[in-house]
Amino acid sequence: DAKTTQPPSMDCAEGRAANLPCNHSTISGNEYVYWYRQIHSQGPQYIIHGLKNNETNEMASLIITEDRKSSTLILPHATLRDTAVYYCIAFAGGTSYGKLTFGQGTILTVHP
Amino acid sequence: DTEVTQTPKHLVMGMTNKKSLKCEQHMGHRAMYWYKQKAKKPPELMFVYSYEKLSINESVPSRFSPECPNSSLLNLHLHALQPEDSALYLCASSNDRFTDTQYFGPGTRLTVL
Repeated sequence: DAKTTQPPSMDCAEGRAANLPCNHSTISGNEYVYWYRQIHSQGPQYIIHGLKNNETNEMASLIITEDRKSSTLILPHATLRDTAVYYCIAFAGGTSYGKLTFGQGTILTVHP
Repeated sequence: DTEVTQTPKHLVMGMTNKKSLKCEQHMGHRAMYWYKQKAKKPPELMFVYSYEKLSINESVPSRFSPECPNSSLLNLHLHALQPEDSALYLCASSNDRFTDTQYFGPGTRLTVL
């Protein structure tokens, strides 16, 4: 699976949008971009995933550039409960028997 | 419902003990996974089961022994562990294809004395 690069930490004010970037310049055509988050000492929580098109669900929006070399996860109105480590993963699944390769992630801290 | 449950939440064991971790899902998923997460590190895959058969063992020491007795249940049997095995053990499941989204349980925090 392709390697992803994320900033180690970011801050965001409560109520503002949090925009978390991810670089995946070596992503292959069959790899999806997945986002998970992990709140302290809990299991990773699935947020959203996409292949080419932008995606939105009740938690977040995912914007993928046209060349698919980078993406941005958007939390539209961040709350204190969104403070967590956010992982961006390039995932094909079939060729790796479902192995999710987590990087170091971005620690997002939401401030009052 | 995307719930994966794990028991116990916390476990403390000595190096000579035998214990088991349990993971359960009732989503009809046919792929189940064990991950290990050391403090301040990302999760790392240990085992993958597909249709109750072991598909992947990521070179995990034999003191960790997985078992999948049925499609809803995944166990991890522990024996003669070392203090460096102390970690958060995470279970995940996905639909019948490895390409499907994985849903994680809350984890078991293991401490080996």
